[in-house]
Amino acid sequence: QSVLTQPPSVSAAPGQRVTMSCSGSISNIGSHFVSWYQQLPGTAPKLLIFDDVKRPSRIPDRFFGSKSGTSATLDIAELQTGDEADYFCGTWDNSLSAVVFGGGTKLTVL
Amino acid sequence: QVNLQESGPELVKPAETLSLTCSVSGGSVMPYYWSWFRQVPGQGLEWIGYIFHTGTTNFNPSLKSRLSMSIDTSKNQFSLRLVSVTPADTAVYYCARAPFCSQAVCTRFDYWGQGRLVTVSS
Repeated sequence: QSVLTQPPSVSAAPGQRVTMSCSGSISNIGSHFVSWYQQLPGTAPKLLIFDDVKRPSRIPDRFFGSKSGTSATLDIAELQTGDEADYFCGTWDNSLSAVVFGGGTKLTVL
Repeated sequence: QVNLQESGPELVKPAETLSLTCSVSGGSVMPYYWSWFRQVPGQGLEWIGYIFHTGTTNFNPSLKSRLSMSIDTSKNQFSLRLVSVTPADTAVYYCARAPFCSQAVCTRFDYWGQGRLVTVSS
């Protein structure tokens, strides 16, 4: 059971926009920055979003992060087949004194 | 471009010690925090712990009693030791860099190794 809650899967067609959520509590998302990671099949996680809304320079602006209260959201616009991957949210949890993650959302681009 | 590479045995016997090393190239281990994660295939990520270039550590409380980490700034590498392993410790182990942490709280990890599958089995 993951500390942060993510839907197990989402799907959309190429060219469309998809939104995936990450729900937590005041102990984690409500107190600390959230990061998002993309994990393509058989590869290591890749940082997509940090500090809730910022993108590393190599990440295209099709990827957009936001946060409100104890929930965070990742939006991906103009979906491409190459976006098919697992997406994880992560942050620090004060109660557990640990970095915590969601269980991941599998994105299928139909 | 910073590159990380995990190395170490792929098979460990139950009750023995799992040891992995992460070699960093394309950048220095200073002045960053360096972290270990693991992932059971098909499941989510679990944070193991991290170590600062000074040697200060912060461990996942669930693993703390079995865990130690070290860093060698002269070799630009850091290491993980997990004792008394069981089959539940079978996972892909990743090392990663935390580019910025506030009071030992790190919320982002920007460079990752490719991962090392370690199997605990007799």
